[in-house]
Amino acid sequence: DTGVSQDPRHKITKRGQNVTFRCDPISEHNRLYWYRQTLGQGPEFLTYFQNEAQLEKSRLLSDRFSAERPKGSFSTLEIQRTEQGDSAMYLCASSLVVGTDTQYFGPGTRLTVL
Amino acid sequence: DAKTTQPPSMDCAEGRAANLPCNHSTISGNEYVYWYRQIHSQGPQYIIHGLKNNETNEMASLIITEDRKSSTLILPHATLRDTAVYYCIVRLFGAGSYQLTFGKGTKLSVIP
Repeated sequence: DTGVSQDPRHKITKRGQNVTFRCDPISEHNRLYWYRQTLGQGPEFLTYFQNEAQLEKSRLLSDRFSAERPKGSFSTLEIQRTEQGDSAMYLCASSLVVGTDTQYFGPGTRLTVL
Repeated sequence: DAKTTQPPSMDCAEGRAANLPCNHSTISGNEYVYWYRQIHSQGPQYIIHGLKNNETNEMASLIITEDRKSSTLILPHATLRDTAVYYCIVRLFGAGSYQLTFGKGTKLSVIP
């Protein structure tokens, strides 16, 4: 099964450190999305790419967050100078812009900032 | 995207059908109804989606009322593994559509 994969699955860091997460979408999927989920809440949209172009960013994505998708394949999400409020599950999804463009999610990366 | 209303929690006996309601009274003609579920500490799992006709797949059935203002997700024979949070989402289809807007969903507990 070549679903969406994310790495690492868990990350514990100290406040002020930088962290980077990776997402590998389903092969041939040209859209890739990042969401964040805090405890007890549903996922919230952060940003999305169509191929290598970042087309939309939520206001939740502060200046400390940056996402890239070089060559339109895998994507990385970097958080600089982490804060305790960044502790959350970071979810990646991908879709194929054909038909109804259904999004399929990865298992997520759980970030804990101490 | 239109908003949805779901009960915060439901119980279902194992082996019985689970019927999860969703109200989306402000849905527009080009918005689809999507259902996802999230088992504890995992990513959301796509279940099914529909526009106006009832849909069925190997996981579930989706019944959409004729006026499209509400829908019901049916798990025909619930098992313990179906215990999860179920999200009903309406999503615009077409140019400019991209994000899914999740609410708090319905926490379904399947009871042995």
